[in-house]
Amino acid sequence: DVKVTQSSRYLVKRTGEKVFLECVQDMDHENMFWYRQDPGLGLRLIYFSYDVKMKEKGDIPEGYSVSREKKERFSLILESASTNQTSMYLCASSKRSSYNSPLHFGNGTRLTVT
Amino acid sequence: KQEVTQIPAALSVPEGENLVLNCSFTDSAIYNLQWFRQDPGKGLTSLLLIQSSQREQTSGRLNASLDKSSGRSTLYIAASQPGDSATYLCAVRPSGGSQGNLIFGKGTKLSVKP
Repeated sequence: DVKVTQSSRYLVKRTGEKVFLECVQDMDHENMFWYRQDPGLGLRLIYFSYDVKMKEKGDIPEGYSVSREKKERFSLILESASTNQTSMYLCASSKRSSYNSPLHFGNGTRLTVT
Repeated sequence: KQEVTQIPAALSVPEGENLVLNCSFTDSAIYNLQWFRQDPGKGLTSLLLIQSSQREQTSGRLNASLDKSSGRSTLYIAASQPGDSATYLCAVRPSGGSQGNLIFGKGTKLSVKP
């Protein structure tokens, strides 16, 4: 079974802090994703990585950056947290070899910025 | 621009009933459609993936169908149980573009009453 692990289930941070969200997958997947999920807005893609050190911006990259130094780990960085970044953050992974590879999600990190 | 719609947003049924969840999309140029389940406060669990060349996929009490030409998919749940209560989301992978391009519906929240 694919396992995608997000390091924190709940985080509370202060406005202006630099925040790191970590995600690790154990299935040697090339693709990794960061989404945020908000009521009424659904899931929105923040960033996508298709290989080590490679990344693509998603629909809402502003205020975020990412790091992929190792294949199994994909980090989301909030450079200066703001209250409008309070959300559920979901990491996912999939194989790159096929467009028909299913997406596998972690359990999410609920971030509150005060 | 591809849009994915799930109606209704919420559904309540008595235990034992067979039910159908709907997903519609505006552009038939897709690689596949994937159904997910999300329990409250958790990540998404992949249920079924239907490739564009397929008409349906089955897993246990779940059956998903795809009619690409009409832009519709259904998820059929047989003999519903209280444990099926969750939010069900569908997502399409449009043809072309990067593998990061997955478009989600906002989900149908299912409640199965004992």
